[in-house]
Amino acid sequence: GNSVTQMEGPVTLSEEAFLTINCTYTATGYPSLFWYVQYPGEGLQLLLKATKADDKGSNKGFEATYRKETTSFHLEKGSVQVSDSAVYFCAQDRGSTLGRLYFGRGTQLTVWP
Amino acid sequence: DAGVIQSPRHEVTEMGQEVTLRCKPISGHNSLFWYRQTMMRGLELLIYFNNNVPIDDSGMPEDRFSAKMPNASFSTLKIQPSEPRDSAVYFCASSPQGQLLSNQPQHFGDGTRLSIL
Repeated sequence: GNSVTQMEGPVTLSEEAFLTINCTYTATGYPSLFWYVQYPGEGLQLLLKATKADDKGSNKGFEATYRKETTSFHLEKGSVQVSDSAVYFCAQDRGSTLGRLYFGRGTQLTVWP
Repeated sequence: DAGVIQSPRHEVTEMGQEVTLRCKPISGHNSLFWYRQTMMRGLELLIYFNNNVPIDDSGMPEDRFSAKMPNASFSTLKIQPSEPRDSAVYFCASSPQGQLLSNQPQHFGDGTRLSIL
């Protein structure tokens, strides 16, 4: 089957610290990979995506690289801000289904000033 | 552009009552998804539709839950009778995925926060 495993939270950092949230996927075929972010009281929003091996998705200072050899898609940011406090979800599709995504459990990030 | 629109944003009702949650997907999107989010279980896919047809309802917890998509611009999720354990945030999402193509992301609504007393 398909499953996404991501680092359990919560993660607490000081402003300007380096962030890594680990994510690994399992899949047959060639899935696309996604990171979503959920701010308090809101729905999930797409943060970035990568559609094939070695692609790097990036947005708002966040980056993630599609690593087929390690089946990973770790989220990184060099310097976090208080406004980055949110829940982050890693997700994949199966590359051939009708839009269904498989989500990880989510990682709560809190950034302190 | 209007995003996915869900109503109501909040619903508080007594157990045993019927609850109907509504969703309007983004125009032109032909896949629609209903999720439930709780602290204990995280984000769960309940059911999804493609071109108004239910594709997979294996996530629907029990017969008290039902979902319909009578046309491309509207879907409902109904709980009857409701129970306190149904309290959660329910999200609707849509995507333009309509063919056997990947990499199209889902767009989420702001959710309905449901409390069953």
